[in-house]
Amino acid sequence: DTGVSQNPRHKITKRGQNVTFRCDPISEHNRLYWYRQTLGQGPEFLTYFQNEAQLEKSRLLSDRFSAERPKGSFSTLEIQRTEQGDSAMYLCASSLRERNTEAFFGQGTRLTVV
Amino acid sequence: AQSVTQPDIHITVSEGASLELRCNYSYGATPYLFWYVQSPGQGLQLLLKYFSGDTLVQGIKGFEAEFKRSQSSFNLRKPSVHWSDAAEYFCAVTLSGGYNKLIFGAGTRLAVHP
Repeated sequence: DTGVSQNPRHKITKRGQNVTFRCDPISEHNRLYWYRQTLGQGPEFLTYFQNEAQLEKSRLLSDRFSAERPKGSFSTLEIQRTEQGDSAMYLCASSLRERNTEAFFGQGTRLTVV
Repeated sequence: AQSVTQPDIHITVSEGASLELRCNYSYGATPYLFWYVQSPGQGLQLLLKYFSGDTLVQGIKGFEAEFKRSQSSFNLRKPSVHWSDAAEYFCAVTLSGGYNKLIFGAGTRLAVHP
């Protein structure tokens, strides 16, 4: 499968714990995005990488959130000191840098904070 | 601020009936427009996209959409709905020529009656 891969698919954690999600984009894609989707809502943009550079961060991305893409390939999204409000689906997408291209989404990681 | 409105939260149609899902956007610049579909617990699959040119675009699974600049709309249509079309549908926009920072609507959940 050469699509966007996200792991784990599901994560249940206790409030206050740290969690880390991984995203493997389509191999030739140099742009990578993270979105968050809460129940009944559309995805909301969190952050964007071009190669290893993080070029934009949403105000939704509080200090407890950090994302990295160290070698311009896979990316990780870490949430520290999780809160119940962090419960959501975290979606990763990737695209080529060229114009007129679309983003391809992974199946997401569903986080439940109990 | 940029926004996308999907006025219908839920729509129910009978199998074989026609379908139109509405999408209106508020965007100062020329947007790129997308429709994505999401099955329960899954990521987003691109149905179709509009970048420029012919304002009637064809997508996968028999869907089409029409861009109407004067109405700031990009409505999704299908002439005959199948039971497998039951899912959530999201309209999204991004700035033309920019990267894929997508702004999503809240989605329309489609139910199909046999």
